[in-house]
Amino acid sequence: SQKIEQNSEALNIQEGKTATLTCNYTNYSPAYLQWYRQDPGRGPVFLLLIRENEKEKRKERLKVTFDTTLKQSLFHITASQPADSATYLCALVMDSNYQLIWGAGTKLIIKP
Amino acid sequence: SAVISQKPSRDICQRGTSLTIQCQVDSQVTMMFWYRQQPGQSLTLIATANQGSEATYESGFVIDKFPISRPNLTFSTLTVSNMSPEDSSIYLCSGADRSTDTQYFGPGTRLTVL
Repeated sequence: SQKIEQNSEALNIQEGKTATLTCNYTNYSPAYLQWYRQDPGRGPVFLLLIRENEKEKRKERLKVTFDTTLKQSLFHITASQPADSATYLCALVMDSNYQLIWGAGTKLIIKP
Repeated sequence: SAVISQKPSRDICQRGTSLTIQCQVDSQVTMMFWYRQQPGQSLTLIATANQGSEATYESGFVIDKFPISRPNLTFSTLTVSNMSPEDSSIYLCSGADRSTDTQYFGPGTRLTVL
């Protein structure tokens, strides 16, 4: 069966450390993968997109890797801050119809 | 980027009634979508709203229960019909900009059905 897995348990990280979130998928061949941030009571906010032919993408303190052989994406936040605390969602985009297939998200808590 | 607004932001409704949620985008987007999200759960796509034609529904969602309109490129409505407590959820509208392959989301509508 097809599925997308993100850590269901909250991830607690000390401020200043690097937070690493995982997105694994099975039985999909996505054209690209996206990461979103969602705060309580709000809609998701787009962060980064990485295509199947890209290994790594960076934006400020954020870094995403994409391994199509392992069927895994890693999302890193360096020099983490309490303001980074939120739920982070990964989403796969399969093809031209542009529908996103969503993971359930991982709650990240950055402790001062 | 696009800014998406939704209204109402929340509502409490009685069983058997209907609620229409409005979604407005501040710029033209190529595609608009409606999602449902239960607390702590992933987003579930209800349908793709097509301009000037019938929406494309995902498995498990039907037009009689969730009629959708999109009269122009920047506006769409979702109606939740004949509501039951199981329809209690957050409903999210999004718009996709294919030039950047990015989806922008509205703040959501929190619906509670009693």
